[in-house]
Amino acid sequence: RKEVEQDPGPFNVPEGATVAFNCTYSNSASQSFFWYRQDCRKEPKLLMSVYSSGNEDGRFTAQLNRASQYISLLIRDSKLSDSATYLCVVTPRGEYGNKLVFGAGTILRVKS
Amino acid sequence: NAGVTQTPKFQVLKTGQSMTLQCAQDMNHEYMSWYRQDPGMGLRLIHYSVGAGITDQGEVPNGYNVSRSTTEDFPLRLLSAAPSQTSVYFCASSYSYNSPLHFGNGTRLTVT
Repeated sequence: RKEVEQDPGPFNVPEGATVAFNCTYSNSASQSFFWYRQDCRKEPKLLMSVYSSGNEDGRFTAQLNRASQYISLLIRDSKLSDSATYLCVVTPRGEYGNKLVFGAGTILRVKS
Repeated sequence: NAGVTQTPKFQVLKTGQSMTLQCAQDMNHEYMSWYRQDPGMGLRLIHYSVGAGITDQGEVPNGYNVSRSTTEDFPLRLLSAAPSQTSVYFCASSYSYNSPLHFGNGTRLTVT
């Protein structure tokens, strides 16, 4: 089983739709969680950190479920510009390097 | 703000050639790392550094060397290029072990 798993998609949604992605992780010691966005042939960029209490940034909401070991990203009112690959990143407490694990990404395509 | 600067952006090598990918950051980050990204596999860690003079191996270190003589620079050396090293390479830096990563623009390497 991969340490971090994501549904690769693609998720094809119309503008204005609400879409949600999940990312599951296998290491229960994981402490830090992030969502990154990667546009085609570009570098990943931080979208948002994921906090235990959940957090929201405009149309984006991130949730953490430690009991079931997954994080989620909800995008409301999708825009064409949201089309990208969304990567989840998991980091166990106190470690760097080997334990910084990326998911393979979920592709989102928003269509008019 | 330059952030993380990678050079070159594109490179074509013949099997057996060596080269160095350059990475520099101006954010005074202690943590720097190199990743490769291949289709369907996400980003995989090659080598990382937690400060000047300190480096360690990541998930896929074979065929690559690194050094960290200054806080700013973290070059990646390909010792003898192989077709399996055809990939997109990203350098990243972060403030601490659980801080978000800042990525360079990437180097697209083809080994023939």
